[in-house]
Amino acid sequence: GQQVMQIPQYQHVQEGEDFTTYCNSSTTLSNIQWYKQRPGGHPVFLIQLVKSGEVKKQKRLTFQFGEAKKNSSLHITATQTTDVGTYFCAGGGGYNKLIFGAGTRLAVHP
Amino acid sequence: SQTIHQWPATLVQPVGSPLSLECTVEGTSNPNLYWYRQAAGRGLQLLFYSVGIGQISSEVPQNLSASRPQDRQFILSSKKLLLSDSGFYLCAYPTLRGTEAFFGQGTRLTVV
Repeated sequence: GQQVMQIPQYQHVQEGEDFTTYCNSSTTLSNIQWYKQRPGGHPVFLIQLVKSGEVKKQKRLTFQFGEAKKNSSLHITATQTTDVGTYFCAGGGGYNKLIFGAGTRLAVHP
Repeated sequence: SQTIHQWPATLVQPVGSPLSLECTVEGTSNPNLYWYRQAAGRGLQLLFYSVGIGQISSEVPQNLSASRPQDRQFILSSKKLLLSDSGFYLCAYPTLRGTEAFFGQGTRLTVV
């Protein structure tokens, strides 16, 4: 079945450093979504990418969808302590199902 | 507006005991509903999804079952809990745009 792999599993950075997480799918995706889960909380939708090669920005966050629609990345510029949490990518399956990656847990040290 | 309710928020149950977690949604009709589980420090595993009343599809074989007795109600159950059933259980549905998933607050289950 469809698999979505995400790396790294965990990363800690100093506040102000950049951070990137990568997502790869075993199959071509119709879309890719990104979620953030704060410690102890539930996942919250950040963004969806649909087009091949699409790039979207949300303030310090930059999201990319690969040309082949099989990979994606999330880049955070100048991390802040409020960025702490786990970032998940998710690819669309049938019946609107989402297959989630394992997530990247980000720790930011002040 | 769409809302999703899950309860209880936390639960500690002994091994071998039954389980019933409830999820209800408001502000939408005939939604697809999903149960996900997140083991400690791990990703989200899709357990069940439902496209309508009485229609349940299981994604992975396990000790759990799901039911959808009403359009806006999705229940996760077990007859006998195992230690490995511990985790964070999340109910979700697609938003009105039909794209992203909207999650409930989740139930943190610890089986002891």
